[in-house]
Order: sequence, then C-alpha cells, then structure tokens
Amino acid sequence: TQLLEQSPQFLSIQEGENLTVYCNSSSVFSSLQWYRQEPGEGPVLLVTVVTGGEVKKLKRLTFQFGDARKDSSLHITAAQPGDTGLYLCAGASGGSNSGYALNFGKGTSLLVTP
Amino acid sequence: SAVISQKPSRDICQRGTSLTIQCQVDSQVTMMFWYRQQPGQSLTLIATANQGSEATYESGFVIDKFPISRPNLTFSTLTVSNMSPEDSSIYLCSVSSNYGYTFGSGTRLTVV
Repeated sequence: TQLLEQSPQFLSIQEGENLTVYCNSSSVFSSLQWYRQEPGEGPVLLVTVVTGGEVKKLKRLTFQFGDARKDSSLHITAAQPGDTGLYLCAGASGGSNSGYALNFGKGTSLLVTP
Repeated sequence: SAVISQKPSRDICQRGTSLTIQCQVDSQVTMMFWYRQQPGQSLTLIATANQGSEATYESGFVIDKFPISRPNLTFSTLTVSNMSPEDSSIYLCSVSSNYGYTFGSGTRLTVV
C-alpha cells in the first residue's frame, strides 16, 4: 500500500482566510485526486491532476501536483462556510480506467466559521 | 460520470447478524471497489470486485467476513457477516471509469 500523508488533520478558520492542505508520499502516482466529503455523503471528486507540475484552478480552489508526482497541495482563497467538510487526497497507481483502487490520505477536516 | 445508487443508507443491527449492502450503477463498469470509513477516519479499501471472478481482498479483510457478489457489470453487494460493534462504520462502493472515480453515498452501519 502506498501511503499518503495529509496535513493538517484539522483546520478551523474564519471566513475570508486562506488555507493550504498538503498531501505527501514517498511513492510516485500516475494521478492524484482531491475529494470533498460532507457528513452522510460519499466523497465527491473535486479535481484530478496527472502531469508533474500541473496546476488546476476551480473557482477559489487551486490544486498543484508536484514535479515528481509524489505530492500535491490544495489552496483555498477567501474560505467560506460552505467550504466546510472533509478534504481527502487519493493517489492512483494506474489510470482511472485501469481498475486500480485509490489509496487515500487520512483527510483534513476543515471548519470555516462566519 | 457514473451514478451509483447505494442502499441501505443506514442501519442499526444486532451483533451476530449480517447485513447486505447493495450498489447499483447506471452504466456498465469493469471494476467496483468497496471501502470502509471508520468514524472520523479516511477510507480503507476492503476489496476489488470484478464481474465473473472472485473479489480480491486487501490485507486484514477476508471473504468469510465480507463476502462480495458481482453478478453483472452494473451491480454488486457487500455482506458484513456475524457483526460486532467494531464493524460500526460507513461502507462505500466506488467505480472507476474514463471520467474518474465515483462513490456511492455510503451505508452508515451501527452494530449494537
């Protein structure tokens, strides 16, 4: 099993602040995905990064894949209460259509207060 | 992306009994995955189910405890057998496709 270290584990911030969540591994992944999970729901895919050094933006969220494809970060600008949830990074050793299961980090529980 | 219908969404079960969780996908998929998410924890892979063959289990999970069926390319079940309070968790199915990975909404199991 390829281990993904995610930090911080918990984060409580006020509305309007910025934050960064990190996902690190000693293994190389063919792709890395970020999910957001709300209570009582399954994880929902936010983004998939595939190319080393890749940067993707999704409104106020910026995702970066490390050059060596071993680490990734999620940066949220001007956080809002609606961003509250569990953020999970997950690495795949094969393509999404190759039948490889995902290895998940432990998750970052984010609370954004008004 | 694929849409997964997972049921039941939650259940409270007596220890020693078994519960079967169902996942129905709106399209044909080769691989289905079953995960467990213990309270406050991340997702741990239980097994990978491929249609027409026995499921492949991860270390720490065995077929007698978590039998899986995969009768066709759109459906799978996971049974949690002879339950104990330690089996209280959220169980999720997932599929992979050309569009990425999709998860069911989960089954929240409480064993009393």
